Parts: sequence; structure tokens; C-alpha cells
Amino acid sequence: KQEVTQIPAALSVPEGENLVLNCSFTDSAIYNLQWFRQDPGKGLTSLLLIQSSQREQTSGRLNASLDKSSGRSTLYIAASQPGDSATYLCASLGGMYSGGGADGLTFGKGTHLIIQP
Amino acid sequence: DVKVTQSSRYLVKRTGEKVFLECVQDMDHENMFWYRQDPGLGLRLIYFSYDVKMKEKGDIPEGYSVSREKKERFSLILESASTNQTSMYLCASSGWDRGISYEQYFGPGTRLTVT
Repeated sequence: KQEVTQIPAALSVPEGENLVLNCSFTDSAIYNLQWFRQDPGKGLTSLLLIQSSQREQTSGRLNASLDKSSGRSTLYIAASQPGDSATYLCASLGGMYSGGGADGLTFGKGTHLIIQP
Repeated sequence: DVKVTQSSRYLVKRTGEKVFLECVQDMDHENMFWYRQDPGLGLRLIYFSYDVKMKEKGDIPEGYSVSREKKERFSLILESASTNQTSMYLCASSGWDRGISYEQYFGPGTRLTVT
């Protein structure tokens, strides 16, 4: 069964720093990997999706990388701002439920990020 | 922009009641999903559907059923609500990209309390 782990569970850094959030998964046979942001009491906002054939994706100050062979993904946030404070979740899509391409995501438990002004 | 809406943000029900949670998406997505989120356990998949009238079980389908009569609407049903079903329920939808379920978009969530 796929397991997704996120380290660290919580992180607090001063504004302006560059930071890296880590995500690891046990089964490398994934279709894609998605990074989300969740604000307290709210739903999930999709940040980036990396297909299994891709190595990285970029959106503004965010860059996500994927290394399937080692079972790892990282989310890099450049020049962090207080508005980046949220919980960040990674999730893999792997065909573990239906055996096909229509499937649910397997989530990590998230990294709770605080950016200090 | 993709929009996924859920019928209620907050819901309080009594033990034993039948509860319906509704989800609607406006992007003509084939795939729809129901997850629950609990502190310490994270998000877990309950059920999903890749077509009208089709459904597949996820990690924790016990105590739940689903209905998908129209492409844009996916309902989660708690046949007889219990206190251990108190949780945040999140609906999501996605389209297809070359045979693979693509980026999932989530609704705002329904916080259900069963007393």
C-alpha cells in the first residue's frame, strides 16, 4: 500500500527565506504527484502537479521536483512571505484503488508552515 | 476557473440520522471523489466515481454510500450517522489526461458534527 510521508511536520522561518518542503512515497509506480495548500478550516488549493514523466514544475515562486526512482518530491518556496503561512500537502496518484488511471490520491499528513513577519 | 461547491459548510446531525452531503462541479469533469480529513490521520479516500452511475471504494467506505446520477453531481450518504463520522468532508473532481485522472480540484469542505 502506498505511504506518503512529509518532513518536517512543522516549520517556522523568518520572512524572506527560501525553504524546501519534503515528500517521500514508498511505491514509485505513480502516475503523478500533486502539491496543495490548505488554510485553516478551508478546502485544498492545488499548487502544482508533476506528471510521472516530468522532473519539475514551476509556478511563480514555487518549484516542485520529482524523483520517482528515489521516491521523493520537494516543494521549493522562494522569498517566503507571511501570506505563505499554511499547511502544505503532497499527494500521489498511483492506481492503487482501481488499478487504472481513475483513482484517488494518497496524501501525506502535511507540513504546517509559519512565516514570521 | 474550476469550481467545486458543497451544499453546506457546517452541519450538525444526530446519531442514527440519514445524512446527505452534496457536491457539484462545473467543469464537466468525469471523475469525482469524496475524502474525509481528521487530525492526526490526514485525508483519506472514501469513494470515487469515474462516470455516471459508476463508483469505486476507497480506503474507508464502511458506513457510507454514494450516488452519481448526473455527471456534475456526486452525493455522499451516511446511512445511519454515528459519532465517529464527525469529520471534515472534502469533495474533489478531475478530468482525464491521456487516460490518467488529472489535477484534482477541491471544494471548500463540509464540517459535519454528529451528536
